[in-house]
Amino acid sequence: EVQLVESGGGLVQPGGSLRLSCAASGLTFSSYWMSWVRQAPGKGLEWVANINEDGSEKHYLDSVKGRFTISRDNAKNSMYLQMNSLRGEDTALYYCARGGRTVRGLIIGNWLDPWGQGTLVTVSS
Amino acid sequence: EIVLTQSPGTLSLSPGERATLSCRASQSVSGNSLAWYQQKPGQSPRLLIYGASSRDTGIPDRFSGSGSGTDFTLTISRLEPEDFAVYYCQQYGNSLPYTFGQGTKLEIK
Repeated sequence: EVQLVESGGGLVQPGGSLRLSCAASGLTFSSYWMSWVRQAPGKGLEWVANINEDGSEKHYLDSVKGRFTISRDNAKNSMYLQMNSLRGEDTALYYCARGGRTVRGLIIGNWLDPWGQGTLVTVSS
Repeated sequence: EIVLTQSPGTLSLSPGERATLSCRASQSVSGNSLAWYQQKPGQSPRLLIYGASSRDTGIPDRFSGSGSGTDFTLTISRLEPEDFAVYYCQQYGNSLPYTFGQGTKLEIK
């Protein structure tokens, strides 16, 4: 069974930093794209960033570009989200989710499944 | 950016009834790369449908997806009590960012 477990959330002041982690098990982690998705309290889902299998390709939501950095360590079956210059609007439950695979240059099956349980980030003074 | 608009915002139905949820894209979704997720209170989203019409493993056959291009539909043929939740569509095609619809809340009438 694939399991994704997020950690690292907490209360941080505006302008501060946090590093989220996503620990994966039950899958060949290095074979999949991975994503971060967030959900503000009482709101809908918002895709934040994703990273390809070897970490050489990364994509971001415009509102987090230059502030957030996605990375992975395949030896540790883990993905990370370094969040700097945090703002109130970054307050959300952050989920990690498995994406698809790159096959002959094409991304196949890039829906999000499964998802972790989320880690809560609160940006407030 | 592809904007996904879900309708209705809230759908009030009774168990046993048929639910039809709509997701309309602002531009064509490449390869029908459209997924549907179910989210219950306090839980993570769960994948129901991918590729617009393929059910994920273990999803009951009362859930079905259809559509192509810009118009997609999730149908629940006969509602069970556990189906009352919020449903999101998402496009994961060639257009970044991978956007979600705003959600449809399916509530018990």
